[in-house]
Amino acid sequence: AQTVTQSQPEMSVQEAETVTLSCTYDTSENNYYLFWYKQPPSRQMILVIRQEAYKQQNATENRFSVNFQKAAKSFSLKISDSQLGDTAMYFCAFQGYGGSQGNLIFGKGTKLSVKP
Amino acid sequence: ETGVTQTPRHLVMGMTNKKSLKCEQHLGHNAMYWYKQSAKKPLELMFVYNFKEQTENNSVPSRFSPECPNSSHLFLHLHTLQPEDSALYLCASSQDSGTSGGFRETQYFGPGTRLLVL
Repeated sequence: AQTVTQSQPEMSVQEAETVTLSCTYDTSENNYYLFWYKQPPSRQMILVIRQEAYKQQNATENRFSVNFQKAAKSFSLKISDSQLGDTAMYFCAFQGYGGSQGNLIFGKGTKLSVKP
Repeated sequence: ETGVTQTPRHLVMGMTNKKSLKCEQHLGHNAMYWYKQSAKKPLELMFVYNFKEQTENNSVPSRFSPECPNSSHLFLHLHTLQPEDSALYLCASSQDSGTSGGFRETQYFGPGTRLLVL
């Protein structure tokens, strides 16, 4: 079974600085998707970024980028120029291929606080 | 509000009450999901619906009863809940659920219903 591990329960960063959130996963599949979702205090789970495993190029979305290391099964999220609105829980998620294998498997989350 | 909406946002109920959670998606999607988010635990998938048909029940107790009258609406009927059922219940939708093979499309979430069972 797939598992997703986020080893940092909480992190903090100063406004305008850069922070990296870690995520590792375990799977025997070769083809899958990885996601980072953000859940601010308003509780709305918002998609931040998505990475397809067969694409070697790391996904980027404005200030958010990932470092995808397929062999190491690592999928970290880098937030550049952190803003107060980035304060939230961040969840890493794995999605396999087909049917119930396509269920999203979430990590326990990292609580990020951006300090002024 | 666009995207995926959920009502109510907060709900307090006794163990003998019957209540329902509502989810509506405005994205034209065909698949809808219920998740349970408890403190210090990963999100747990409860049910999956694709084109109004339930395709997955993740061993959820029968005191939770889902209903999907059409692709835009999803309900979760609650009856005789236990205090340990207190959690944030999230609804999500995607273009499809991948039951015919292939990847599921990206899921988009609602704001959740915070449920407290007394």
